[in-house]
Amino acid sequence: NAGVTQTPKFRVLKTGQSMTLLCAQDMNHEYMYWYRQDPGMGLRLIHYSVGEGTTAKGEVPDGYNVSRLKKQNFLLGLESAAPSQTSVYFCASSSLANVLTFGAGSRLTVL
Amino acid sequence: GESVGLHLPTLSVQEGDNSIINCAYSNSASDYFIWYKQESGKGPQFIIDIRSNMDKRQGQRVTVLLNKTVKHLSLQIAATQPGDSAVYFCAEYTSGTYKYIFGTGTRLKVLA
Repeated sequence: NAGVTQTPKFRVLKTGQSMTLLCAQDMNHEYMYWYRQDPGMGLRLIHYSVGEGTTAKGEVPDGYNVSRLKKQNFLLGLESAAPSQTSVYFCASSSLANVLTFGAGSRLTVL
Repeated sequence: GESVGLHLPTLSVQEGDNSIINCAYSNSASDYFIWYKQESGKGPQFIIDIRSNMDKRQGQRVTVLLNKTVKHLSLQIAATQPGDSAVYFCAEYTSGTYKYIFGTGTRLKVLA
């Protein structure tokens, strides 16, 4: 019973490098989300998807891109990493207006 | 914009006492609310939820109260235990937006 799985769990990047975080869910959820969490702060929504092939911007979308080519996967890309993107990234999924289920997080450090 | 806030950033309670964590929300159109618990190094875990057509909902040792008049949400934990030590977040959801908005969190410390 995997739920929401995020890979990788840890990553260190140099400024300007690019990378992709993968989120996979096995609950057949329609809705998927990417949040970032900074120390002492809550969760801020980066991008979300309401179905396969759709994406939308959240509160803090700049510097990130996403894709939802398959219903079970939601990818978060950093085009050109900056130190300000050092954070813990959480993926989550839900069915309509229901409990949001989170992954364990991906800790990203940008040097 | 929309926001969800908490009154107390840190709450310390004695083991065995009851805890109350508060949350204010700003969007009167929000119709679904969730409380999450986050332990260090882990993702948020669901505790309890409530929809706007209810005022109170009880779970095992936890109760959520919703006051729509003053846009206030609270989480009550009965007989607080050391394992309850964590950061607690409230989240609000507004139908039609598909977005869950989180507050900054309250750290609960349980004193032995």
